[in-house]
Amino acid sequence: DAGITQSPRHKVTETGTPVTLRCHQTENHRYMYWYRQDPGHGLRLIHYSYGVKDTDKGEVSDGYSVSRSKTEDFLLTLESATSSQTSVYFCAISDLQDNEQFFGPGTRLTVL
Amino acid sequence: GQQLNQSPQSMFIQEGEDVSMNCTSSSIFNTWLWYKQDPGEGPVLLIALYKAGELTSNGRLTAQFGITRKDSFLNISASIPSDVGIYFCAGHTSGTYKYIFGTGTRLKVLA
Repeated sequence: DAGITQSPRHKVTETGTPVTLRCHQTENHRYMYWYRQDPGHGLRLIHYSYGVKDTDKGEVSDGYSVSRSKTEDFLLTLESATSSQTSVYFCAISDLQDNEQFFGPGTRLTVL
Repeated sequence: GQQLNQSPQSMFIQEGEDVSMNCTSSSIFNTWLWYKQDPGEGPVLLIALYKAGELTSNGRLTAQFGITRKDSFLNISASIPSDVGIYFCAGHTSGTYKYIFGTGTRLKVLA
């Protein structure tokens, strides 16, 4: 299994509070991604990173920000959580040499 | 966002039966990936395909990269109860960051 961990694995929070999810990899892969997975929508890309301090938006980036200060860590922040951000969030990594993408175990976030 | 067409959407099969599913795209890909996701877990990469026509196996799983580069197929032989889960495909174009995912096939195995 690829060395990807996510924390926390589960979180319940209230509307309007800030939330930060962490992804940590031990594979030294250049690319890191944050997806959300919702019934009927599949996996949707929120943000991705192509290197330290290099990030860009995905298709559903509104309300989310990211940071990558080290190769191994990619943080996803919800500045002010809303109920529509209740979802399962997955981190993924790839190196685009063999184009394989590996996923973390996910974080289930509930915003009340 | 864009999703790949995957069929069937769901399957109920008897233990021991073979399973086939496919994924189609309007775009050409350089890489096809197949994943399995169990409830409450992250997707696990099963097979990666890199060349048109390529046939690759992983145990009882066999996947093929379509000749047109717009489709891919996954077969599971002699299914067992632990094959239950959601299978989905993903396509990737070299030199890009983006992966396009299929809509998923939910597999249920009846013992």
